[in-house]
Amino acid sequence: GENVEQHPSTLSVQEGDSAVIKCTYSDSASNYFPWYKQELGKRPQLIIDIRSNVGEKKDQRIAVTLNKTAKHFSLHITETQPEDSAVYFCAASGGGGADGLTFGKGTHLIIQP
Amino acid sequence: ETGVTQTPRHLVMGMTNKKSLKCEQHLGHNAMYWYKQSAKKPLELMFVYSLEERVENNSVPSRFSPECPNSSHLFLHLHTLQPEDSALYLCASSQESAGLGRAQYFGPGTRLTVL
Repeated sequence: GENVEQHPSTLSVQEGDSAVIKCTYSDSASNYFPWYKQELGKRPQLIIDIRSNVGEKKDQRIAVTLNKTAKHFSLHITETQPEDSAVYFCAASGGGGADGLTFGKGTHLIIQP
Repeated sequence: ETGVTQTPRHLVMGMTNKKSLKCEQHLGHNAMYWYKQSAKKPLELMFVYSLEERVENNSVPSRFSPECPNSSHLFLHLHTLQPEDSALYLCASSQESAGLGRAQYFGPGTRLTVL
């Protein structure tokens, strides 16, 4: 089955700086890679996703890059703000219709004022 | 209410009790999922239903029993649980599209405590 590794487990950055979270996956058949943000006591919320036929996707301050050959993908947040503080999860799915997601362990992002 | 809803939001039960968790999605999706979120562990996929048929059972103990009566509703029936089953149980839904992964949208979860 799929295995997703996520690093770092905790990331502290100064407000206004950039944050990068990295994930690797094991199953070369995986073709869908979403990122979720989970604030304390709330549900995971989809913030951006990428498919295997795309190398990079951007949405305002958030971008995701995918390297299929190396089987890794990364989340980039620029100009970080206090409201970006949360736990971020990467995930991978085989893309076979209703495939469940395999999640990384999460990164606790702390934005220092 | 829009999106994905779950009831109850909190549940405390003894090991000999039987209870059920309910999930309802108002997004017109045709696939639904149960995930377990424990402290210090990644979200774990438990069950997948597509077009009301179970398509995946991720080696979940039989004390968890899912039910999907229609594409909008999903249940998780619980019986003789163990304290280690205490966790946040999350429901999600998506629109299945053959061969393509689709965004999954989560409910708020049920916080389960087994005494």
